[in-house]
Amino acid sequence: RKEVEQDPGPFNVPEGATVAFNCTYSNSASQSFFWYRQDCRKEPKLLMSVYSSGNEDGRFTAQLNRASQYISLLIRDSKLSDSATYLCVVNGMDSSYKLIFGSGTRLLVRP
Amino acid sequence: NAGVTQTPKFRVLKTGQSMTLLCAQDMNHEYMYWYRQDPGMGLRLIHYSVGEGTTAKGEVPDGYNVSRLKKQNFLLGLESAAPSQTSVYFCASSYSTGGPSTDTQYFGPGTRLTVL
Repeated sequence: RKEVEQDPGPFNVPEGATVAFNCTYSNSASQSFFWYRQDCRKEPKLLMSVYSSGNEDGRFTAQLNRASQYISLLIRDSKLSDSATYLCVVNGMDSSYKLIFGSGTRLLVRP
Repeated sequence: NAGVTQTPKFRVLKTGQSMTLLCAQDMNHEYMYWYRQDPGMGLRLIHYSVGEGTTAKGEVPDGYNVSRLKKQNFLLGLESAAPSQTSVYFCASSYSTGGPSTDTQYFGPGTRLTVL
């Protein structure tokens, strides 16, 4: 089993749609959780950290379910500029600073 | 404040050649990392450093060496390049004193390496 698993997609949605991604992780001791965004042929960039109580940043909402070991990302009112690959990231088993990256979920927002 | 920079941006090597990739950060981060990213796969950690003068192996270290002589620089070396090392290489850095606010990693723009 991979340490971080994501549906590769692509998710193809119209502008204005709401779309949700899930990710599961295997290390129950993980303490740090993130969503990164990666545009084609670019470096990953932090989208948001994910906190136990859930958190929101504009149109983006992240949730953490420790009991089921999954993380979700909800994007409301999708924009064309949201088209990218979204990486689910958790800290590793042997140290907090080593991050484990999922393979990513690709999102395509069409006009 | 440039963040994390990498040189070169692109490189083509022949099998058996050697090269060094340079990563520099101006955020005074203690921790630095080298990853490779291949199609359909997540980022895989090659080597990392938790401070000046220290290095450690990551998930896929074979065929690579690293050095961290200065806090702001982290070098990745390929001693004898192989076609299997064709990839995109990303450098990253973080504070990492514990917890999500400091575990966040900041990435350089990447180096696209092709080994023929």
